[in-house]
Amino acid sequence: QVQLQESGPGLVKPSETLSLTCTVSGGSISNYFWSWIRQPPGKGLEWIGYIYYTGSTDYNPSLKSRVTISVDTSKNQFSLKLNSVTAADTAVYYCARPNWGNWYFDLWGRGTLVTVSS
Amino acid sequence: DIQMTQSPSSVSASVGDRVTISCRASQGISSYLAWYQQKPGKAPKLLVYAASSLQSGVPSRFSGSGSGTDFTLTISSLQPEDFATYYCQQANSFTLTFGGGTKVEIK
Repeated sequence: QVQLQESGPGLVKPSETLSLTCTVSGGSISNYFWSWIRQPPGKGLEWIGYIYYTGSTDYNPSLKSRVTISVDTSKNQFSLKLNSVTAADTAVYYCARPNWGNWYFDLWGRGTLVTVSS
Repeated sequence: DIQMTQSPSSVSASVGDRVTISCRASQGISSYLAWYQQKPGKAPKLLVYAASSLQSGVPSRFSGSGSGTDFTLTISSLQPEDFATYYCQQANSFTLTFGGGTKVEIK
C-alpha cells in the first residue's frame, strides 16, 4: 500500500530555511494532490499548502510569503521549504494525501518534529 | 478563511458512554466536513468524510451528522481505544482549516 515518509533536519536555526522531503512509496505520485500540514506541540493542525503532481500549488495565506512546495516526479517525492523561520514554526510536520477528488486526508506520513532554536 | 470551532475542548467519559462532539463553521460549508482521530505521537486518522460517510475500516460506533454550519461526531459506546483527540476539518474552500480539537479523556 502507499506510504509517506517525511525526512529532513530536526533542528533549524532562527532566520534560516526549514527544508523537508516527503517520499511516496508503494505507489505513484502522479495524478494526485499532495499536502503539508503542521502541528505545534500541544496544539491543533494547520494546513500549509498543496502541490499537484504537475507542479501547480496553493498555499495558506498566513504562510504564503515564506513557503515553497515543489515536486520531483522522477524520485516520487515532494518537498517543503519554509524560510525565515522563528520559534513559532516549531512543529510536527506531516505530509498527507487527500482522497482523489476531494480534500479529506486519508493518507498521512508519521510526521517529523522540527525545532527552531539557536 | 472559514473558522472551525469545536466544543467542548475536552470531555471526560467512561467506557460504554455515548459521546457527542460539536463543530461549527463560521460560514456554510454544505457537507464538506471531515472528522479525524489523533492519538499521542501519531498522525491523525480519517474517521468520517462528507459529514456523514464512514471511512473504510472505521467502527460503526462512530457516526457524523450535520450540514451547513453545524456538525456532530457521535461515538455511540465509547471503547478504551477511543480515548484520543478529535478534530474537524472543512473541505469546502481554501484555505483548508481545522477545528481546535476535542480531547476525550477517561473519567
